[in-house]
Amino acid sequence: DTGVSQNPRHKITKRGQNVTFRCDPISEHNRLYWYRQTLGQGPEFLTYFQNEAQLEKSRLLSDRFSAERPKGSFSTLEIQRTEQGDSAMYLCASTLGASGNYEQYFGPGTRLTVT
Amino acid sequence: GENVEQHPSTLSVQEGDSAVIKCTYSDSASNYFPWYKQELGKRPQLIIDIRSNVGEKKDQRIAVTLNKTAKHFSLHITETQPEDSAVYFCASPTGGGNKLTFGTGTQLKVEL
Repeated sequence: DTGVSQNPRHKITKRGQNVTFRCDPISEHNRLYWYRQTLGQGPEFLTYFQNEAQLEKSRLLSDRFSAERPKGSFSTLEIQRTEQGDSAMYLCASTLGASGNYEQYFGPGTRLTVT
Repeated sequence: GENVEQHPSTLSVQEGDSAVIKCTYSDSASNYFPWYKQELGKRPQLIIDIRSNVGEKKDQRIAVTLNKTAKHFSLHITETQPEDSAVYFCASPTGGGNKLTFGTGTQLKVEL
């Protein structure tokens, strides 16, 4: 499968626990995005990477959230001290990132449930 | 920042009829407008997109039109089929990283 992959697909955790999600983008894509989607809403931007550099973070990304892309390939999103309001689908997308190339392709998402 | 409004929120059509979903955007610098289809529990799937240098793009039964002056773009689905039933999102990129701002979605139901 050469598309964007995410793991795990589902995560149930208790409030206060830490969780980490992984995203593997399409191999030649150098730009990677994280979005969050709640029921009945469109995806909302969280952060993005150009290669290994994190270039923008949304105000939605509180200090409990951290994302990395250490080698410019896969990325991880960690949420510390989870809260019930963090329950959502976390989507990763990637794009070639070259000038004039805008198409973003999404992974299947990680559905987080905080109990 | 960019604001994208999408209408209607729900749309029910009979199989074989056409469906039209409309979006407006606020950032006049926006130059790329994708449409995504999302089935229940699945990833958003890019189905068609348009750049600002054209007014219309068609791919089989789906088409997108763009009016830059009015800052709105629309998705047209002809000869609808039950498998077209899904939530459709429009989006517009903003900022140097082209992050997408999504509309609120349209739940399309194609009835037999």
